[in-house]
Amino acid sequence: GNSVTQMEGPVTLSEEAFLTINCTYTATGYPSLFWYVQYPGEGLQLLLKATKADDKGSNKGFEATYRKETTSFHLEKGSVQVSDSAVYFCAPTWGRSGGSNYKLTFGKGTLLTVNP
Amino acid sequence: SQTIHQWPATLVQPVGSPLSLECTVEGTSNPNLYWYRQAAGRGLQLLFYSVGIGQISSEVPQNLSASRPQDRQFILSSKKLLLSDSGFYLCAWSRGATYEQYFGPGTRLTVT
Repeated sequence: GNSVTQMEGPVTLSEEAFLTINCTYTATGYPSLFWYVQYPGEGLQLLLKATKADDKGSNKGFEATYRKETTSFHLEKGSVQVSDSAVYFCAPTWGRSGGSNYKLTFGKGTLLTVNP
Repeated sequence: SQTIHQWPATLVQPVGSPLSLECTVEGTSNPNLYWYRQAAGRGLQLLFYSVGIGQISSEVPQNLSASRPQDRQFILSSKKLLLSDSGFYLCAWSRGATYEQYFGPGTRLTVT
């Protein structure tokens, strides 16, 4: 079945370091791809998305490119800040046959801590 | 704009007591609604989803149930809580024709 594998971490970086969080999926067909972020004690927020091959999603300095050939959607940021400390979730979604109910499959989350 | 509310924000309940968590969405109609649980360790588990009033799908067998009495109201219940029901419960909604889910602030449940 469809599944997602995400780098588990935890990841600890110094401010202004480069960030990569790997995410790969196995699937039949072509899912839409999302990254969500969860700050301490809060619900999840959509960070960025890509809906077709070679699309690049970007937001708040984060980027991820939909790589169909490697079934990957790695999250990157060139210079992290202390305020980026959070848990990041990769989430592909596939449509359910016969309806419009799309179900996300979440990775296990990667805890990022950025030190000043 | 759309907003999603959950209450209570925190709850401490003894084992064997009942549970009712409520989620409401404003600013949209006929949303898809979801209940997730996030146990220690950060992973998210989909518990229930609903595509319309009275339509509930359960993802995993468990001690919980869900109901959707109104279009924008989603309730998570239990008749008798177990210690293993402790966790962070998140409600989410999405439009039928798009993929993103929008999450509420969550309810922290501790069963003692």
